Amino acid sequence: GQNIDQPTEMTATEGAIVQINCTYQTSGFNGLFWYQQHAGEAPTFLSYNVLDGLEEKGRFSSFLSRSKGYSYLLLKELQMKDSASYLCASNTGGFKTIFGAGTRLFVKA
Amino acid sequence: EAQVTQNPRYLITVTGKKLTVTCSQNMNHEYMSWYRQDPGLGLRQIYYSMNVEVTDKGDVPEGYKVSRKEKRNFPLILESPSPNQTSLYFCASSLGGARAPLHFGNGTRLTVT
Repeated sequence: GQNIDQPTEMTATEGAIVQINCTYQTSGFNGLFWYQQHAGEAPTFLSYNVLDGLEEKGRFSSFLSRSKGYSYLLLKELQMKDSASYLCASNTGGFKTIFGAGTRLFVKA
Repeated sequence: EAQVTQNPRYLITVTGKKLTVTCSQNMNHEYMSWYRQDPGLGLRQIYYSMNVEVTDKGDVPEGYKVSRKEKRNFPLILESPSPNQTSLYFCASSLGGARAPLHFGNGTRLTVT
């Protein structure tokens, strides 16, 4: 079957670092996406990994281990505006993308 | 401005009354898709289209229809809506290919009573 798991909620403090984990089991794999979704808004693209390792993009980094079926999104120097849901998604081949249920991140002062 | 436009943003209707949610993109994207988002379930794909006149079912297609007569438009049709189709719907488009990220519309919140 196809399954993507990520924690339902996380809380972190402004200025800190938070790591949001994602594990996936999919019948095919062509890359792992992370999207950010603020409440009531559309998801927006954050990162894409297809090779093992860490991709850094400003305050956000994303890591992938294909052998472990594991990814994480690392957010540094947290800001209040980072309070949002973070969606892990796997491209399973062709035109199919499977999404996890999302992790709601609360950033407190 | 590059964007995906969905209409309406909010829709309340009654069981059995046919409705259409429109989706249009101005980025000349070949790939378009419809998702529904429900609490605890995440985004689930309803239908997708690889190009004009080419569509295919996603994971939850029952009760929905789509068409792709022009590259920019991909309407979602509910012929006979039921309460279990109450959800938040997103249209998305991309260049196509595994690496291409999805660009989402602002969503349509549908309530079927």
